[in-house]
Amino acid sequence: DVKVTQSSRYLVKRTGEKVFLECVQDMDHENMFWYRQDPGLGLRLIYFSYDVKMKEKGDIPEGYSVSREKKERFSLILESASTNQTSMYLCASSARDRGGEQYFGPGTRLTVT
Amino acid sequence: GENVEQHPSTLSVQEGDSAVIKCTYSDSASNYFPWYKQELGKRPQLIIDIRSNVGEKKDQRIAVTLNKTAKHFSLHITETQPEDSAVYFCAARTSGGSNYKLTFGKGTLLTVNP
Repeated sequence: DVKVTQSSRYLVKRTGEKVFLECVQDMDHENMFWYRQDPGLGLRLIYFSYDVKMKEKGDIPEGYSVSREKKERFSLILESASTNQTSMYLCASSARDRGGEQYFGPGTRLTVT
Repeated sequence: GENVEQHPSTLSVQEGDSAVIKCTYSDSASNYFPWYKQELGKRPQLIIDIRSNVGEKKDQRIAVTLNKTAKHFSLHITETQPEDSAVYFCAARTSGGSNYKLTFGKGTLLTVNP
């Protein structure tokens, strides 16, 4: 059974802080993704990675960066958190040869005050 | 890039009725169309998917249809039950290039009233 875990369910940070969100998957998936979910806007892709140390920008990368040093771990970094980054962040992973099916983590509710 | 439009944004039905959610996509190269269900407070989970070489797929009470010519696909839920209440997302994947990512619709909140 695929398991995708995220480091925190809830996080409260102050404006200007550097924030790290971590995601770990245990199915040896090549692809990993970070989304943010806001009411009425659906799931918007921030960044994704298709291999270790490889990354590509998604639709809304501004204000974010990512790191993938190991295959199972994909980190999302907010260099200087702002209030408009208050959101639900979802990580997902998928196997390259399985095409599109993505497995999601439980999400991190980030509040920036 | 790909653009996915989803309608309606909210849908309320009586238990036992059918529910239909429709999506359109813009990139004719898209070849994989999954549907995800997200219950309140939970993570999205795949419920059904369809590939571009198939016109319809069924799994018990849910079915998905695809019209490649018109570039739209739909989710059909029959005999709805209260546990079908959730947000449903459609998505499309384009082949070639960055072929690992999905583009999601904005979601449909389905409420099934007992």
